[in-house]
Amino acid sequence: GAVVSQHPSRVICKSGTSVKIECRSLDFQATTMFWYRQFPKQSLMLMATSNEGSKATYEQGVEKDKFLINHASLTLSTLTVTSAHPEDSSFYICSASPPVGAATEAFFGQGTRLTVV
Amino acid sequence: QKEVEQDPGPLSVPEGAIVSLNCTYSNSAFQYFMWYRQYSRKGPELLMYTYSSGNKEDGRFTAQVDKSSKYISLFIRDSQPSDSATYLCAMSGTGNQFYFGTGTSLTVIP
Repeated sequence: GAVVSQHPSRVICKSGTSVKIECRSLDFQATTMFWYRQFPKQSLMLMATSNEGSKATYEQGVEKDKFLINHASLTLSTLTVTSAHPEDSSFYICSASPPVGAATEAFFGQGTRLTVV
Repeated sequence: QKEVEQDPGPLSVPEGAIVSLNCTYSNSAFQYFMWYRQYSRKGPELLMYTYSSGNKEDGRFTAQVDKSSKYISLFIRDSQPSDSATYLCAMSGTGNQFYFGTGTSLTVIP
């Protein structure tokens, strides 16, 4: 199946610093990628939809100035957690779908475990 | 009401048992139904993908969709300890947005 690569897999940062997470579709072009957040023992919560060449669409309650999304090419979307705080510690996952007709299966990155100390 | 409901478990079964995982949903526009397996600290991996109603079988895994009841199931036959993971159901309509269940934690005991 299609491959989505996410980097880094884990990162520890100090409170107040910024962290960038990359999501790449390796063998297909993705005009749309999705960013999720997952707390322990909970399901994936959609944070934002990343659209290539345009602004991301954020879900209600997600601060767009805190979670900056850049979808600069058809294979790369980045999520930057700015001025991170301990409450931002979580598992962040991206996904992308090959652009084949209507909605198809989503392929996920490996996830990034962010710990803010 | 949540778009997708899934019993979080945890579910514990002996090796070799048949496992039944289920989700219900409220949006009749959903057409695409997926099951993902997620090991601890990893991203979800796609297990089964079904369009509309019916059954789909892949090895020890069978996915069933009953759109009239808005109910989907994943069956695992001859369960193995390596099947121990969290199983997430997901579904979507004609757009690209996916709606997930909370996930069911499964442990298969040797």
